[in-house]
Amino acid sequence: DIQLTQSPSFLSASLGDRVTITCRASQGISSYLAWYQQKPGKAPKLLIYAASTLQSGVPSRFSGSGSGTEFTLTISSLQPEDFAAYYCQQVNSYPLTFGGGTKVEIK
Amino acid sequence: EVQLVESGGGLVQPGGSLRLSCAASGFTFSDHYMDWVRQAPGKGLEWVGRSRNKANSYTTEYAASVKDRFTISRDDSKNSLYLQMNSLKTEDTAVYYCARTARLYSGSYYLFNWGQGTLVTVSS
Repeated sequence: DIQLTQSPSFLSASLGDRVTITCRASQGISSYLAWYQQKPGKAPKLLIYAASTLQSGVPSRFSGSGSGTEFTLTISSLQPEDFAAYYCQQVNSYPLTFGGGTKVEIK
Repeated sequence: EVQLVESGGGLVQPGGSLRLSCAASGFTFSDHYMDWVRQAPGKGLEWVGRSRNKANSYTTEYAASVKDRFTISRDDSKNSLYLQMNSLKTEDTAVYYCARTARLYSGSYYLFNWGQGTLVTVSS
C-alpha cells in the first residue's frame, strides 16, 4: 500500500499568512494526488486534483504542486474560512489512501 | 446540483450487521464509479471501497480492513449505492460518506462530491 505522510500535522497561523502543507508518498504516484478541506462536522470538500488543478469554485489563493513522491498545498493568504483540516489522497493505485491530515488553527 | 444522501447508520452490537444506503441525484448515476469513505471519531479519513459502473461490470475494490466483511452494491434503477457491513467490530465505528467520482482524461478517478455522512456506532 502507498503511505502518505503529511506535515505538519498541526499548524497555527495568522490571517494573511502564507501556509504550506507537505504530503510525501512512500512510492511514486506521478500526479495522481488530490487535496481536500474538511471543516468540523462537515464532509470533505475537493480543493485540488491531479496535484495542481483547482476544482471549480475554489478560491485562487489555494494552489497545489509536485509530482512523484513530494507534493505541496499552499494557501497564499490565509482567510478566516480557511481554518480547517486538510487531507491529501493518492488515486494512483488500490487501496486508495489518505494522509493523516493537517489541522490549521488560528494563532 | 449533485446530491448524495446517506442513511441507515445507527447503533449495532459487535458481530452484527448493518446496511447503509446512499441516494444520488443531480447526475447520471449509472455512468459513475462510486466510493465509500469513513472517518472514526476525531480521526482522519479512510477509504473503504469502490463500485465501478455497468460498463466495467460493477466490479468492486475494498480496503484490506473491510475486505470479506463489507460488500458494496448499487441499483442504477434507483440511483442508489449500498454498503452491507457484516461481522462489525468496534473499530468500524465511524461516519460513513459516499462519494461520486469523476474520470479525468488521464484515466484516474477523483472524489468530486461527498454526502453529509451517516454515523455507525459499534458497541455493546
